[in-house]
Amino acid sequence: EMLLVESGGGLVQPGGSLRLSCAASGFTFSSYSLNWVRQAPGKGLEWISYISGSTRTIYYTDSVKGRFTISRDNAKNSLYLQMNNLRAEDTAVYYCARGGGVNDALDIWGQGTMVTVSS
Amino acid sequence: DIQMTQSPSSLSASVGDRVTITCRASQSISRFLHWYQQQPGKAPKLLLYAASSLQSGVPSRFSGSGSGTNFTLTISGLQPQDFATYYCQQSYSTPFPFGPGTKVDIK
Repeated sequence: EMLLVESGGGLVQPGGSLRLSCAASGFTFSSYSLNWVRQAPGKGLEWISYISGSTRTIYYTDSVKGRFTISRDNAKNSLYLQMNNLRAEDTAVYYCARGGGVNDALDIWGQGTMVTVSS
Repeated sequence: DIQMTQSPSSLSASVGDRVTITCRASQSISRFLHWYQQQPGKAPKLLLYAASSLQSGVPSRFSGSGSGTNFTLTISGLQPQDFATYYCQQSYSTPFPFGPGTKVDIK
């Protein structure tokens, strides 16, 4: 079974940092791009970052550029999101999702991890 | 950046109804358009990719069409498990935004 499992969420103060992890299993990890998508409470989905299988290509949405860093370790089948200088508006459930091939549709999703930024 | 819109933002329907949701891109995205379903409290699920290709395991009552800037998701014969929020997403050029969503609830 192809799985993605996020971890690392929690409560953090404004200006603080947090590192999310996403562990993959059941597929050839290095062959696929990966994404982070978040969802603020009661709101819609927001795509925030992409990393190619080789790690050569990385994209961010403007609201997290310079604060968040996506990375992956293909030897450990793991994806990461380092989040610095967190703001209240970063409060959300964070999902990792696999880019599944044709046009990079997000075909496998983790269950999500909640990040709350509050003092 | 490409902006995505969806209409309607919500709709009420009955079991067995045919439902159509529209997604529009602010510029041409060819067929780089995907549809997702999200049940409350759950992760999204891919329904259709490349505008009209059905993801493995998704019932054939879901269909998609369109290219360029205008796309539709149709559910033919709404089932109880289809009451959910539906999102479109473009992957033509970064950033890869989702539409704001369409909530389908029971009439």
